[in-house]
Amino acid sequence: KAGVTQTPRYLIKTRGQQVTLSCSPISGHRSVSWYQQTPGQGLQFLFEYFSETQRNKGNFPGRFSGRQFSNSRSEMNVSTLELGDSALYLCASSLTAGLTYNEQFFGPGTRLTVL
Amino acid sequence: QKEVEQNSGPLSVPEGAIASLNCTYSDRGSQSFFWYRQYSGKSPELIMFIYSNGDKEDGRFTAQLNKASQYVSLLIRDSQPSDSATYLCAVNMGNQGGKLIFGQGTELSVKP
Repeated sequence: KAGVTQTPRYLIKTRGQQVTLSCSPISGHRSVSWYQQTPGQGLQFLFEYFSETQRNKGNFPGRFSGRQFSNSRSEMNVSTLELGDSALYLCASSLTAGLTYNEQFFGPGTRLTVL
Repeated sequence: QKEVEQNSGPLSVPEGAIASLNCTYSDRGSQSFFWYRQYSGKSPELIMFIYSNGDKEDGRFTAQLNKASQYVSLLIRDSQPSDSATYLCAVNMGNQGGKLIFGQGTELSVKP
C-alpha cells in the first residue's frame, strides 16, 4: 500500500510570491492534516480536512489556506510569502476525522525556502 | 507553560540499554497520545499510540500513560544505534478533532 505522497519535495521562492503544495493521502484515507515544522517552533498544526471540508484550523494567518478534493487529495497555499515561512511542510493522512484516536501517518514533506 | 513538554536531550544510552523518554501535558482533557520517531532530514514515523492508563507494549517499545499525573513515557528496550533519532510526543486534546499538539522532541543517541 502506497504511503502519503507530497509534491514538490523542494521549493525555493522569493518574498511576496505564493506557493501551492500538494498531498495525496494513503489509499482509503479520507482525512488530511497539514503541519509546519521549523527548528524554533517545532511541529505546529495548520489545518485538518475531511470530506472536502476544513474541520479544524491552527493559529496561522489567513495567508495560509487549503482545500481538499473529492478524491481526498489536498492542497495548501501560502500567499505573500515571508522569510519566516521557510519550513518543512508535512501532510498527515488518517482514516477518518473527528475521532481522537486517529493514527496520523506523515508524508515525506515539502521543504520550502523563502529568499 | 507549554501544552506538551519533553526534555530536549540529547539523551545518550549505550547499546543494549533501556532508553526512557518522557512527556508531560497540560490539558487534563487530553484523550490520546502518540509517539513518533524522526530521523534527521526525514518526516515523523508513528511508533505507538496509547489512550488508556497503564502500559502498552509493541516489540521493544513500551508506552506508559498516567492521566492523573499527566505523564506519558516511551521505553525502548535493548536500544540499538539505529534507534538514534528525535522522538516526538504528540497529544490529541480531545475537543479539536484530529489536531495533534507536539512536544519539541527528545534527541536520543545510542552509542555502540
